[in-house]
Amino acid sequence: ETGVTQTPRHLVMGMTNKKSLKCEQHLGHNAMYWYKQSAKKPLELMFVYSLEERVENNSVPSRFSPECPNSSHLFLHLHTLQPEDSALYLCASSQFSNTEAFFGQGTRLTVV
Amino acid sequence: DQQVKQNSPSLSVQEGRISILNCDYTNSMFDYFLWYKKYPAEGPTFLISISSIKDKNEDGRFTVFLNKSAKHLSLHIVPSQPGDSAVYFCAAYLADKLIFGTGTRLQVFP
Repeated sequence: ETGVTQTPRHLVMGMTNKKSLKCEQHLGHNAMYWYKQSAKKPLELMFVYSLEERVENNSVPSRFSPECPNSSHLFLHLHTLQPEDSALYLCASSQFSNTEAFFGQGTRLTVV
Repeated sequence: DQQVKQNSPSLSVQEGRISILNCDYTNSMFDYFLWYKKYPAEGPTFLISISSIKDKNEDGRFTVFLNKSAKHLSLHIVPSQPGDSAVYFCAAYLADKLIFGTGTRLQVFP
């Protein structure tokens, strides 16, 4: 139990679908992150939210849309994805920068 | 332009011996470094960290060394155990960004 919960754990979606990934943390952290891990690639930072404000958008395509309604919740809205977007999507949170980040279990996304 | 690099994709070590995982970085502005361990289909779990003002941090079987002049850090695991078999990522903070290396798969055999 890491304190960071991601749902769903697995998701299969068509290229025309709209879906959302959810991340929840009850650690009292102020920063939340979305990462993407593709096969044989490093963990790629997608978005950073600090105190509910987006501070980083790492050149992510607009078909990925994050939302942080409060400090405990982070969403990643998905629409018109491509098969190459299939990956493990990981959420993390940390108290501040320069402190250890805790990760959720990830959502395994398959785009068909 | 990978700013955090782990040049060894895999490492195999006998149980009881020392495992040394290496990491190089290119940006001297990184000021906090971390090691994570990851099992398949799970999120990374935090192992140990080190601030740029230190050159060594120890926690049980895990020790991280930082050589700022060489922009190099290493993770020592001693003694290695079969349960240590996993992928290990080094990571570094640059402002609010936590940037990860490519990972090294460690296998500890009996």
